[in-house]
Amino acid sequence: DAGVTQSPTHLIKTRGQHVTLRCSPISGHKSVSWYQQVLGQGPQFIFQYYEKEERGRGNFPDRFSARQFPNYSSELNVNALLLGDSALYLCASSLGLANYNEQFFGPGTRLTVL
Amino acid sequence: AQTVTQSQPEMSVQEAETVTLSCTYDTSESDYYLFWYKQPPSRQMILVIRQEAYKQQNATENRFSVNFQKAAKSFSLKISDSQLGDAAMYFCAYRSSGFSGATNKLIFGTGTLLAVQP
Repeated sequence: DAGVTQSPTHLIKTRGQHVTLRCSPISGHKSVSWYQQVLGQGPQFIFQYYEKEERGRGNFPDRFSARQFPNYSSELNVNALLLGDSALYLCASSLGLANYNEQFFGPGTRLTVL
Repeated sequence: AQTVTQSQPEMSVQEAETVTLSCTYDTSESDYYLFWYKQPPSRQMILVIRQEAYKQQNATENRFSVNFQKAAKSFSLKISDSQLGDAAMYFCAYRSSGFSGATNKLIFGTGTLLAVQP
């Protein structure tokens, strides 16, 4: 079975631009979470979606938004990019929100903002 | 708010030796989960081991074991018989137990980069 997939692998944007990152969860998983990992730091929680509804949001500005589609895939959108948005963006999927549901991570999208 | 602290930015171990990575956390909750994740240079985050706070017995997974000290809020990872493939960034993470329906987000530490010397 395929694991969590993310696209694109790498992305280079300039300040002020908009970016869309995509994530496909493991088949059967209904929850997707997004994390930002700045170089040298641990991942920081951005969003969690379950059954197409936002279930959690981290301390990120409104420039960050996300959605989940009927097939449970997800998009993370970032508007008005800043240099500080350069990071590895990780997607994780889980069966649901139960506390015993393990989160499986994708390989990430490396975003560079120039 | 919960926090996770890893005070060792880098560690080194000789192949076949044992190494212990440290992690402390802060929480007012009584029930929660703790994890160690491995992130090799390929970037894919992989779960190494998990510990439920209500379990007194320390978790073990083959060469990996934890020392969970709930009162001290300490959660260290011991890697025995270290192998070259163990070289990676290791993250300690916390998750609230909460209840079904709430977010099961992870709170990560800053990581420890482990080098394995042949």
